[in-house]
Amino acid sequence: LAKTTQPISMDSYEGQEVNITCSHNNIATNDYITWYQQFPSQGPRFIIQGYKTKVTNEVASLFIPADRKSSTLSLPRVSLSDTAVYYCLVGAEMDSSYKLIFGSGTRLLVRP
Amino acid sequence: DSGVTQTPKHLITATGQRVTLRCSPRSGDLSVYWYQQSLDQGLQFLIQYYNGEERAKGNILERFSAQQFPDLHSELNLSSLELGDSALYFCASSKGTTYNEQFFGPGTRLTVL
Repeated sequence: LAKTTQPISMDSYEGQEVNITCSHNNIATNDYITWYQQFPSQGPRFIIQGYKTKVTNEVASLFIPADRKSSTLSLPRVSLSDTAVYYCLVGAEMDSSYKLIFGSGTRLLVRP
Repeated sequence: DSGVTQTPKHLITATGQRVTLRCSPRSGDLSVYWYQQSLDQGLQFLIQYYNGEERAKGNILERFSAQQFPDLHSELNLSSLELGDSALYFCASSKGTTYNEQFFGPGTRLTVL
């Protein structure tokens, strides 16, 4: 059974680097790994997407090992406004069909 | 503003009733996705349409159905509502068939009394 697992919560301080890992053992061969940020009462917002190795954009980096069974979102120098819930999203083959699986979300609290 | 619109913003109804949630995707996006987010669960994928055709199906109950119209807007129909259907329902859109970057709407908060 496909499952996507993330830590429930993480605490950090302003200016620190935060790494959030997601495990996804049944990821579909051709599927990408995407991370989203969600603030209370808002829809998730795209952060970064990758297929393998490393991807970097202006807000984050994404590390994906060769087996693609996990991924790590890295947020450099977090600020108070980064306090949010972070979700990984992958496609997975399940029961001979294709489904989109969100992780359970990691609640990040950034302290001053 | 993601460019995805959802109506209504809030909906309060009674058990056993039927409701319709509406979503307009971003201009140019052909895929529409529906998700359910309840307090005790994360984001649950319900269904995806691409250019009018069903593309992928998640844990959508038989009491729920969706469709995408020729103008690409989508509707999610929820019938025989139960208390447990109370949740935030999000619509998202993307350009392609396989999911790429999805742009999420503001959601419809459904309360079943």
